[in-house]
Amino acid sequence: GEDVEQSLFLSVREGDSSVINCTYTDSSSTYLYWYKQEPGAGLQLLTYIFSNMDMKQDQRLTVLLNKKDKHLSLRIADTQTGDSAIYFCAEKPAPGKLIFGQGTTLQVKP
Amino acid sequence: DSGVTQTPKHLITATGQRVTLRCSPRSGDLSVYWYQQSLDQGLQFLIQYYNGEERAKGNILERFSAQQFPDLHSELNLSSLELGDSALYFCASSQTGGTSGVADTQYFGPGTRLTVL
Repeated sequence: GEDVEQSLFLSVREGDSSVINCTYTDSSSTYLYWYKQEPGAGLQLLTYIFSNMDMKQDQRLTVLLNKKDKHLSLRIADTQTGDSAIYFCAEKPAPGKLIFGQGTTLQVKP
Repeated sequence: DSGVTQTPKHLITATGQRVTLRCSPRSGDLSVYWYQQSLDQGLQFLIQYYNGEERAKGNILERFSAQQFPDLHSELNLSSLELGDSALYFCASSQTGGTSGVADTQYFGPGTRLTVL
């Protein structure tokens, strides 16, 4: 089946690194995505990774993919208060179809 | 700003009524997707249109329908509304229909918040 699991909440101090974890079930997913949702706003694409990659880095963001364990993580370096938001992991098991996790609320304390 | 626009921003209506939500995709995008976000169900894919034709269907109720017009804007029609239909409805767009092998990133609009009283 298609299912994406995330922990619901993460709290970090400003300046620390944040690591948000996600597990997915469909091994046929070719791409995996991270989206960010700020209060009252839509989903903003942060980054994506192709399934044959292990890692992708984009400025403060690092995505790690363990395809064997179907585990995806998003690391945010030097977390800022502006990073406080809900982060969604999504798998793409078929063309055009995105399956989202429940979202992880990231709280950044000053 | 993703380039995807949705109207209205907020909608308050009563049970049993019918509403229409509108979405304009990013310039050049051929595919439109509709999602429902609620507290209990999370973010659920409803339906996808590609260049005017239905491409994929998710957890869309029979009371809901959508269409994509020749100018590529899309409308989501919700009828016989129930309290449980209160949610945020997002539209997203992408360049292609999601052909295998390409990322075909979906860009989301700001959403329409529907409240059914």
